[in-house]
Amino acid sequence: NAGVTQTPKFQVLKTGQSMTLQCAQDMNHEYMSWYRQDPGMGLRLIHYSVGAGITDQGEVPNGYNVSRSTTEDFPLRLLSAAPSQTSVYFCASSYSTSTGRKLFFGSGTQLSVL
Amino acid sequence: DAKTTQPPSMDCAEGRAANLPCNHSTISGNEYVYWYRQIHSQGPQYIIHGLKNNETNEMASLIITEDRKSSTLILPHATLRDTAVYYCIVSGANNAGNMLTFGGGTRLMVKP
Repeated sequence: NAGVTQTPKFQVLKTGQSMTLQCAQDMNHEYMSWYRQDPGMGLRLIHYSVGAGITDQGEVPNGYNVSRSTTEDFPLRLLSAAPSQTSVYFCASSYSTSTGRKLFFGSGTQLSVL
Repeated sequence: DAKTTQPPSMDCAEGRAANLPCNHSTISGNEYVYWYRQIHSQGPQYIIHGLKNNETNEMASLIITEDRKSSTLILPHATLRDTAVYYCIVSGANNAGNMLTFGGGTRLMVKP
């Protein structure tokens, strides 16, 4: 059982380049989300999805696009990378119960934009 | 979701209990208290959550005051591997998108 898998683990981009961070989960969770974490800071929500075909913006969505064509996958696209997007990106999946929810996180992608 | 306040850092001796406090004075009746931790830039890890009653699992205990305005996470016998940033989060069950908001957390240093 792999859980939440993120690729790549490390990436260096030049300003203006585009790329996609991949996230896949094998737990059949309905909810998925992307967070970014800047040095010494907590996590900030970028985008989230409540199910296939449904996405919404979080706290810091500018410069990022997402789509959710399947339950398993939730890729994050950087359209034109900027140095301000240098960060560690975490993908999470979760399910809802009557007693709250648990988020399961991937191991992160460390992105540097030069 | 209600805001939380945690001390920025704490130390604990190895083998002793670590008691991490969290204030959430504006918590509403249907909001849960969640605790996660993040070990050295890994993805955050779920620890425990509760609504009103105290909770215990294999990792920790969660003590919530009767008025629910504060809580304490207890690691009964801290080890060096428990050195991490601990996040206290308050969120309602009907939170849109099932998402949680992470603040600054408490950096716990377990020392030999």
